[in-house]
Amino acid sequence: KAGVTQTPRYLIKTRGQQVTLSCSPISGHRSVSWYQQTPGQGLQFLFEYFSETQRNKGNFPGRFSGRQFSNSRSEMNVSTLELGDSALYLCASSLGRTSHNEQFFGPGTRLTVL
Amino acid sequence: QQQVKQSPQSLIVQKGGIPIINCAYENTAFDYFPWYQQFPGKGPALLIAIRPDVSEKKEGRFTISFNKSAKQFSLHIMDSQPGDSATYFCAAATTGANNLFFGTGTRLTVIP
Repeated sequence: KAGVTQTPRYLIKTRGQQVTLSCSPISGHRSVSWYQQTPGQGLQFLFEYFSETQRNKGNFPGRFSGRQFSNSRSEMNVSTLELGDSALYLCASSLGRTSHNEQFFGPGTRLTVL
Repeated sequence: QQQVKQSPQSLIVQKGGIPIINCAYENTAFDYFPWYQQFPGKGPALLIAIRPDVSEKKEGRFTISFNKSAKQFSLHIMDSQPGDSATYFCAAATTGANNLFFGTGTRLTVIP
């Protein structure tokens, strides 16, 4: 079974621009969660989507948004980029059933904001 | 504030040693405690997970010990190998909620 895939793997943007990252979950998984990983703040939860609906949201500004499509693929968008948005953005997929928590991470997208 | 506290920040052991990584939490609603292993340039990989109804879980060379009353849990790596050199993260969540709260990570180096 193929794992979680994320595209692109690397991105360089400048302040003020916006960016869209993509995530394809493991086949059969309906939940997609996004995390930001930085050396200073570690791994922080952004949001989770299940059946095209945002089910949970972390403590990030409204510049961070996401969506999920009917095939469970997900995108996250960051508008008006700031230098502090430079990070590894990780996507994790899971079955999404309430009794299961196991999440499987993709390789991440390394975003650099100049 | 950090919901899950992890220590040590870094750890160096000889091959065959037993590194121990500790985590503590405050939120008693947490009932799912996974450990992840991350190599440079890769995403975290689920290693082993435990729920509070058991005090210990073993999978291969990896063991989680869980102390519910102390709100602490730890990872032991038996017979550590150089290939175990990676960053290890503990995490916590409530059942059905996929927002994992991660510890700050422990960089493990196993010397041959």
